[in-house]
Amino acid sequence: KQEVTQIPAALSVPEGENLVLNCSFTDSAIYNLQWFRQDPGKGLTSLLLIQSSQREQTSGRLNASLDKSSGRSTLYIAASQPGDSATYLCAGAVDGQNFVFGPGTRLSVLP
Amino acid sequence: EPEVTQTPSHQVTQMGQEVILRCVPISNHLYFYWYRQILGQKVEFLVSFYNNEISEKSEIFDDQFSVERPDGSNFTLKIRSTKLEDSAMYFCASSEGQDLYNEQFFGPGTRLTVL
Repeated sequence: KQEVTQIPAALSVPEGENLVLNCSFTDSAIYNLQWFRQDPGKGLTSLLLIQSSQREQTSGRLNASLDKSSGRSTLYIAASQPGDSATYLCAGAVDGQNFVFGPGTRLSVLP
Repeated sequence: EPEVTQTPSHQVTQMGQEVILRCVPISNHLYFYWYRQILGQKVEFLVSFYNNEISEKSEIFDDQFSVERPDGSNFTLKIRSTKLEDSAMYFCASSEGQDLYNEQFFGPGTRLTVL
């Protein structure tokens, strides 16, 4: 059964720093992978989707990569801003299972 | 921009009561999903739905749960006899194409509180 871990569990950085969030799957046979943002008590906002044929996706200051051989994904946030403060979730789909979510990384960007 | 909507935003009910959570998926999407997130825990898959039938369901989705697409726009999750442990945030999602390959778009969620 697919398990997803995310490291670190929480992160606090000063504004302007570049940072990397990590996501790891026990089963590397991932069909696609999505990164989401969740603000406290709110829904999930899709940030980036990496499909099985892709290795990375970029949107603005965000870049996500997927190494299918290891089942690892990273989300890179450049020049972080206080508005980036949220919980970041990764989720992946594997054969026979629907989306499996990681526990999230809680990010605080301090002004 | 099209979005998934959910009603109500917050539902409070007594244990043993039936609740229906409603979702309006994005109009041209064909796959629909329900997830739940118990406070402080991971988002968990409940069920996927395509062509008016359940495609997949998790162990959580037992006989107390049912889903329905009663008309061309709504997608509902019914919990027949709520338990305290059903208290959670319930998210609806939809995708345009085959579930494993397409981006899923999530609604804002319904917070269910069972007293």
